[in-house]
Amino acid sequence: GAGVSQSPSNKVTEKGKDVELRCDPISGHTALYWYRQRLGQGLEFLIYFQGNSAPDKSGLPSDRFSAERTGESVSTLTIQRTQQEDSAVYLCASSPSGTSGMSTYEQYFGPGTRLTVT
Amino acid sequence: AQSVTQPDIHITVSEGASLELRCNYSYGATPYLFWYVQSPGQGLQLLLKYFSGDTLVQGIKGFEAEFKRSQSSFNLRKPSVHWSDAAEYFCAVGAYSGAGSYQLTFGKGTKLSVIP
Repeated sequence: GAGVSQSPSNKVTEKGKDVELRCDPISGHTALYWYRQRLGQGLEFLIYFQGNSAPDKSGLPSDRFSAERTGESVSTLTIQRTQQEDSAVYLCASSPSGTSGMSTYEQYFGPGTRLTVT
Repeated sequence: AQSVTQPDIHITVSEGASLELRCNYSYGATPYLFWYVQSPGQGLQLLLKYFSGDTLVQGIKGFEAEFKRSQSSFNLRKPSVHWSDAAEYFCAVGAYSGAGSYQLTFGKGTKLSVIP
């Protein structure tokens, strides 16, 4: 079956512009995560969606970052007034269950969007 | 809060040689542990996971990992490395965040290079 897809694969933008990144999770997966991966670093948690529950936004680095998800479908991550330190690969992952149980932790990742802010 | 340490930033091995990638975690309860692999330009792929039971777990592509509670470790091993194993490897611990989400905390990764 289809995996997690993300678009665009690459995005170059000028400092100060807004960008929107898209994630299509695996069909039927209720949980969706966004991560940021800076060069040479591990993955940094940004935000988590579980069904229609309020998202866990505890990882968002500033109020320039926001994300939306409608139900259990597509999610968009928006970065306003981009800065050079926002340059990174943004990874999306989905999980088959977000309420409890071991499967909750099994995350399936998309290929990422490489964002470059010039 | 939980944390993961991967002490080796970069490892180089010869094709056919054995491999061990180190991972140490910090977590107050019984951990859920994972290894992921990331090939250049790709997302992360799950290699194996430990939830409970047998401390030696088998994964895909011939990898295995051993959970050692006394050492807070979950090292990844492969008896004979193939050139296609060259990639970056991430260890992760799963925990309930208390804010409603089940999070993975990742180490910074170990880059594996394979010499033909």
